[in-house]
Amino acid sequence: AQSVTQPDIHITVSEGASLELRCNYSYGATPYLFWYVQSPGQGLQLLLKYFSGDTLVQGIKGFEAEFKRSQSSFNLRKPSVHWSDAAEYFCAVEGGRRALTFGSGTRLQVQP
Amino acid sequence: DTGVSQDPRHKITKRGQNVTFRCDPISEHNRLYWYRQTLGQGPEFLTYFQNEAQLEKSRLLSNRFSAERPKGSFSTLEIQRTEQGDSAMYLCASSRRESEAFFGQGTRLTVV
Repeated sequence: AQSVTQPDIHITVSEGASLELRCNYSYGATPYLFWYVQSPGQGLQLLLKYFSGDTLVQGIKGFEAEFKRSQSSFNLRKPSVHWSDAAEYFCAVEGGRRALTFGSGTRLQVQP
Repeated sequence: DTGVSQDPRHKITKRGQNVTFRCDPISEHNRLYWYRQTLGQGPEFLTYFQNEAQLEKSRLLSNRFSAERPKGSFSTLEIQRTEQGDSAMYLCASSRRESEAFFGQGTRLTVV
């Protein structure tokens, strides 16, 4: 069975600071990996995805993520956080089943 | 707007009543998914359609839940004899084969 762990429930960073959100997955083969962002009361917006190829993927809004097979990780990064980035971030994996398995999310708070 | 559309956005119902939600996917997407999200958690997979065929159902989908996609276009999710534990955000997503899923804004169900 596939699973996703997001170890950080809540993270607070100052505006302009760098950000890294952690994601670890469990799946026997190479999965498809995703990061989604959700604002309060809204659906999920795709930030970026990894299917194959280059392990460093670029997404929207200045986000990037790196797939590390040896660590079963797909951490999300942003060099300089903006106040509008405050939201809930979900890592997801698509493995043997066609549907996504999500982590429990990381809530990002941005301090002025 | 050519995104995934869900209706209604909010539904308040009394315990024991039946409710039905509708999802209109992106028109060229043949895959459609339903997820449920409770407060503070990531979305959990409920069911998946490829065209009109329901190919997978989660154990979360009790016999009070039924989903249809009669012509391979829109889908409905019905909950019979609602319980307070059914209160959640119900998310619909659609995708093409081997591509990322796009989510709707969700239907928030409150059972009182």
